[in-house]
Amino acid sequence: EAGVAQSPRYKIIEKRQSVAFWCNPISGHATLYWYQQILGQGPKLLIQFQNNGVVDDSQLPKDRFSAERLKGVDSTLKIQPAKLEDSAVYLCASSSGQGNSPLHFGNGTRLTVT
Amino acid sequence: GNSVTQMEGPVTLSEEAFLTINCTYTATGYPSLFWYVQYPGEGLQLLLKATKADDKGSNKGFEATYRKETTSFHLEKGSVQVSDSAVYFCALSLRNAGNMLTFGGGTRLMVKP
Repeated sequence: EAGVAQSPRYKIIEKRQSVAFWCNPISGHATLYWYQQILGQGPKLLIQFQNNGVVDDSQLPKDRFSAERLKGVDSTLKIQPAKLEDSAVYLCASSSGQGNSPLHFGNGTRLTVT
Repeated sequence: GNSVTQMEGPVTLSEEAFLTINCTYTATGYPSLFWYVQYPGEGLQLLLKATKADDKGSNKGFEATYRKETTSFHLEKGSVQVSDSAVYFCALSLRNAGNMLTFGGGTRLMVKP
């Protein structure tokens, strides 16, 4: 089966600019997650979707970050305006949402804010 | 809250050495426990998991046992290879928290020939 697809792979922007990341989960996976992984740290959950509804966005900095999954399939994560501390790898993951189904991760988008 | 603590790296070993990476957790419920691996330039991959106390997860020569009494899930391998060089993440999930993963900080393993 095809894995979780993310694009772009790399992005460099200046602070105060905006950026968007795209994720296409594994076909049929109802649950989609966005994680932020700062260099040298473990991934931190930003937002979790179940189909097109938000399950948990308690750690999403809503003043600058937004995410949507309008049709319950692919998803976009946006940052506007970006800050230097947003430099990180943004990981998308999906799972079937059944029981203890494992999360499958994409390769991530590495964002550098200068 | 829920948290995972793992030993800081880097851990540097010679090929065929014994590996232990310590992981302890705190959780508000009864978690499932996982080890994920991140090879250079690649995404996170599930290495092994355990869903209840005393379960042993194993894969590719790695194993970890869910110890409820010590809230631990230490990763072990009897003989490491250069190809095992990667960053290893311990994680937990709770069913009543949407199965989202809470990760430790990661431990970088470097295996020298």
